[in-house]
Amino acid sequence: DQQVKQNSPSLSVQEGRISILNCDYTNSMFDYFLWYKKYPAEGPTFLISISSIKDKNEDGRFTVFLNKSAKHLSLHIVPSQPGDSAVYFCAASGTLDSGGGADGLTFGKGTHLIIQP
Amino acid sequence: EAQVTQNPRYLITVTGKKLTVTCSQNMNHEYMSWYRQDPGLGLRQIYYSMNVEVTDKGDVPEGYKVSRKEKRNFPLILESPSPNQTSLYFCASSLFWRSYNEQFFGPGTRLTVL
Repeated sequence: DQQVKQNSPSLSVQEGRISILNCDYTNSMFDYFLWYKKYPAEGPTFLISISSIKDKNEDGRFTVFLNKSAKHLSLHIVPSQPGDSAVYFCAASGTLDSGGGADGLTFGKGTHLIIQP
Repeated sequence: EAQVTQNPRYLITVTGKKLTVTCSQNMNHEYMSWYRQDPGLGLRQIYYSMNVEVTDKGDVPEGYKVSRKEKRNFPLILESPSPNQTSLYFCASSLFWRSYNEQFFGPGTRLTVL
């Protein structure tokens, strides 16, 4: 049973426009959410996170929104730049009893963001 | 430079031939883990370690072993590799469990089992 879902395998956005990547989760015990970015031939790198006590966290061009009632989070990138082309993983964390990954971190399948010039 | 290193980066082997993928971090992190990435499945955790001599199974531990004799090293051992273990493997470390905003990943090891 997939507890963290990224339903868009890929997304194409024009440079300068807003990129919106979506993520849904099913486990209400998750209390911390993260986005990782991955370039080809490299390991994922942490991008931004949000605690379940907040509904928004902003870091420069990146903003993550959390809607707990809908069990939905989204990553907004404004404005999109060519260097943003990468695979983005949504991940959720809970306690060891939350039913998430064995250590509480569960990843989605990723969304490949392509920024077109 | 703070980093997680993995070796080898690429490996082609045959079914049943034991292999070890090494992972080392230079940040004095307590928490280390191994993931595999497969097309359409995202990242799945294999094993993790909260500290020296403390290891535990992740979501997909079958066919793998790990050890944590030193804080900096966390090797992944495949005693008898099979083709379904063909995958891209990542080692990761963080200061503590759940300090995910400071989780560092290695560059990955692409393993092919024939």
